Amino acid sequence: EVQLLESGGGLVQPGESLRLSCAASGFTFNTYAMSWVRQTPGEGLEWVSSISTGGASTYYADSVKGRFTISRDNSKNTLYLQMNSLRAEDTAVYYCAKDQTWEVPHYLNYWGQGTLVTVSS
Amino acid sequence: DIVMTQSPDSLAVSLGERATINCKSSRSVLYSSYNKNYLAWYQHKPGQPPKLLIYWASTRESGVPDRFSGSGSGTDFTLTISSLQAEDVAVYYCQQYFNTPQTFGQGTKVEIK
Repeated sequence: EVQLLESGGGLVQPGESLRLSCAASGFTFNTYAMSWVRQTPGEGLEWVSSISTGGASTYYADSVKGRFTISRDNSKNTLYLQMNSLRAEDTAVYYCAKDQTWEVPHYLNYWGQGTLVTVSS
Repeated sequence: DIVMTQSPDSLAVSLGERATINCKSSRSVLYSSYNKNYLAWYQHKPGQPPKLLIYWASTRESGVPDRFSGSGSGTDFTLTISSLQAEDVAVYYCQQYFNTPQTFGQGTKVEIK
């Protein structure tokens, strides 16, 4: 059974940093691209970032480019999102999602439960 | 970026009746070499993660009830719930994965009338 478990969310002040983690199990992690998608309060889904199987290729939404860094540790079956210079508009539930294949982009066939990030002074 | 526009923003349907959600992309998401539309539909209930319903515009994900169906090609797509059940109350999103950035529609909220 595929499981994705996010952690690392919390309350931070504007300008601070946070690192999200996503522990994956139930599939061969290093053969699938992975993504982060967020849902802001009262809004819809917004793709944030994706990473290729080996981590060499990364992709970002314009809204987070230069501030967020996606990475993965295939030896630990874990996906990360380093978020720097956080803004109030980054407040959202962040979901880790498994892409259907190694290709980016693709449809997302499994999602974690999400972790809440709140940026507020 | 490809903009995905859903209509309506919300709809209320009686139990057992049909619900129809439309999704329009600002550019075609049909990859003609493969004859595939790079379009997916998700169901999102409060407190739960989004759930994949349909991919390649019309292929139902394993385990999804057959009352859910997807259709369309190019720039115009439809998600149909043939007979609405109480457990179908949710927000539904279309997503294009034709190119990066992948983009979602704004969502359509489905409620019981």
